[in-house]
Amino acid sequence: EAGVAQSPRYKIIEKRQSVAFWCNPISGHATLYWYQQILGQGPKLLIQFQNNGVVDDSQLPKDRFSAERLKGVDSTLKIQPAKLEDSAVYLCASSLGVKLSTDTQYFGPGTRLTVL
Amino acid sequence: AQSVSQHNHHVILSEAASLELGCNYSYGGTVNLFWYVQYPGQHLQLLLKYFSGDPLVKGIKGFEAEFIKSKFSFNLRKPSVQWSDTAEYFCAVNAGNNRKLIWGLGTSLAVNP
Repeated sequence: EAGVAQSPRYKIIEKRQSVAFWCNPISGHATLYWYQQILGQGPKLLIQFQNNGVVDDSQLPKDRFSAERLKGVDSTLKIQPAKLEDSAVYLCASSLGVKLSTDTQYFGPGTRLTVL
Repeated sequence: AQSVSQHNHHVILSEAASLELGCNYSYGGTVNLFWYVQYPGQHLQLLLKYFSGDPLVKGIKGFEAEFIKSKFSFNLRKPSVQWSDTAEYFCAVNAGNNRKLIWGLGTSLAVNP
């Protein structure tokens, strides 16, 4: 079974530039998550989709971050414009979505973003 | 607000030593509890989870965790660690049928051969 795919793996940009990350979840998984993980901290949920609808985006900085999952499969996360504090690893995860409170989440390799 | 505390941020052990990593959460109702692990260069993956039944749950690679409701704890244990257990360990809690996980800061474990 193929895992969660993410690209790019690494990205270096200057502040005020834009960047986009892509995620392809495990086939058949209804729920897709984007997390931000700053060095030395646990993952912080940015946005959670159930199929192509948003379940939770309460911690997404909507003035600069946006995400979409138009066809209920793959997803993109965009930052525009980037700030220094956005430097982090961006993780995508997916789960079956049958019962969200007990679902196992399967993670991709992450995208390491450095903002200079 | 719900929170998860992992008391040990960095742990260094020798091979064959016993391991216990602490995890406490702040929520008085029903919880679902998870331990995830990230080995160097690998993805985050599930180690074990608890949502009902026997409070002592067993996971992969000889790990186990015990849910103690009265102490709001879900500590991770392994009787004898190996060098290959060197990794970052994260406790996460889903509280009250909430749809999202609350994550701890993680514990970095280094096992010396």
